[in-house]
Amino acid sequence: GDSVTQMEGPVTLSEEAFLTINCTYTATGYPSLFWYVQYPGEGLQLLLKATKADDKGSNKGFEATYRKETTSFHLEKGSVQVSDSAVYFCALSLNNAGNMLTFGGGTRLMVKP
Amino acid sequence: GAVVSQHPSRVICKSGTSVKIECRSLDFQATTMFWYRQFPKQSLMLMATSNEGSKATYEQGVEKDKFLINHASLTLSTLTVTSAHPEDSSFYICSAPLTGAETQYFGPGTRLLVL
Repeated sequence: GDSVTQMEGPVTLSEEAFLTINCTYTATGYPSLFWYVQYPGEGLQLLLKATKADDKGSNKGFEATYRKETTSFHLEKGSVQVSDSAVYFCALSLNNAGNMLTFGGGTRLMVKP
Repeated sequence: GAVVSQHPSRVICKSGTSVKIECRSLDFQATTMFWYRQFPKQSLMLMATSNEGSKATYEQGVEKDKFLINHASLTLSTLTVTSAHPEDSSFYICSAPLTGAETQYFGPGTRLLVL
């Protein structure tokens, strides 16, 4: 079946450090890929997405590239801020409407001043 | 952007009682809504798909008589946890897809604590 695997957290970084959160997937078809962010006490928010191979999603300084050859969608940010502290979820969908999301386990990021 | 609300945000109840959680799409219509359960430090697990005007579709292992879902209108779905027990304590999250947006919009979640 379809699945998403993320690196386990927590990831603890100092402010302005470089961030990478790894995400790999297995899917029977050609999925759309997403990163969602969950700030403390809040619901999930879409951070970025990519719908086909080699697409790069970007938002708020974060970016991720859809790599079909390695079935990966790693999240990166060049300089993290304390306000980026949250839980990040990688997800895939085989439905073009973004329905039926399959989530990874989530990675907690803690950024220290 | 599209907004999904949930009510209540937090509820504490006694074992054996029933709890209703509402999920509303505030500025768009949703013929489908999804209910997820999130355990501490874990990912979201899809419980069921709520369909306006028809029965909900439950994921394997989810008791439909335990978790009653009613999609009463194009903007409201409710999840009722019947005869709640401490093991039902969790964070329940709903979401609704927006046509053409290729994504789902999530509610802020409801934290349920059963004593």
